[in-house]
Amino acid sequence: EVQLVESGGGLVQPGRSLKLSCAASGFTFSNYYMAWVRQAPKKGLEWVATISTSGSRTYYPDSVKGRFTISRDNAKSSLYLQMNSLKSEDTATYYCARHDYGGYSELDYWGQGVMVTVSS
Amino acid sequence: IMLTQSPATLSVTPGESISLSCRASQSISTNLHWYQQKPNESPRVLIKYASQSISGIPSRFSGSGSGTSYSFTISRVEAEDVATYYCQQGSSNPLTFGSGTKLEIK
Repeated sequence: EVQLVESGGGLVQPGRSLKLSCAASGFTFSNYYMAWVRQAPKKGLEWVATISTSGSRTYYPDSVKGRFTISRDNAKSSLYLQMNSLKSEDTATYYCARHDYGGYSELDYWGQGVMVTVSS
Repeated sequence: IMLTQSPATLSVTPGESISLSCRASQSISTNLHWYQQKPNESPRVLIKYASQSISGIPSRFSGSGSGTSYSFTISRVEAEDVATYYCQQGSSNPLTFGSGTKLEIK
């Protein structure tokens, strides 16, 4: 059974940093592109980042480029999101998700999400 | 690429069949996926590449479309279908989602 379990969320002050983790199991992690998607309270879904199987290629929207870094450790079947210079508008539930095949394919499995609140 | 979903909200009676719309600001060549997010749950994919079914998803969920215009159909809506439905394009970065259609049951 595919499982994605996020951790590392919490309350953080504006301008500070936070690192999210996602532990994957039930599939060969190194074979799949992975992504982070977020959802602000009562809002829609926003793609945050995608990483290739080896980690050599990463993709971001302009809203987080230069502040967020996606990475992975295939040996540990883990995905990460380093978030720097956090802003109040980064407040959201962050989901770890798996791309079925390649970085443009559908997100076929999602974690339960982890809440990040940016507030002073 | 912007995705415009309509309607924003839909209220239907169980047993009705409905169609939701998703329009792209430019052609996305069927690189369009549909997701369902039930209240307080994570999203799950229902349809990939505009019309391809997903294993384990009921056949009453279907999709169609091409170019810039796509639709998602639920045949015979059930009470458990209460959710927000999102389209997402996988044609080019940045990946984008539509704003969602919230389905309510009368």
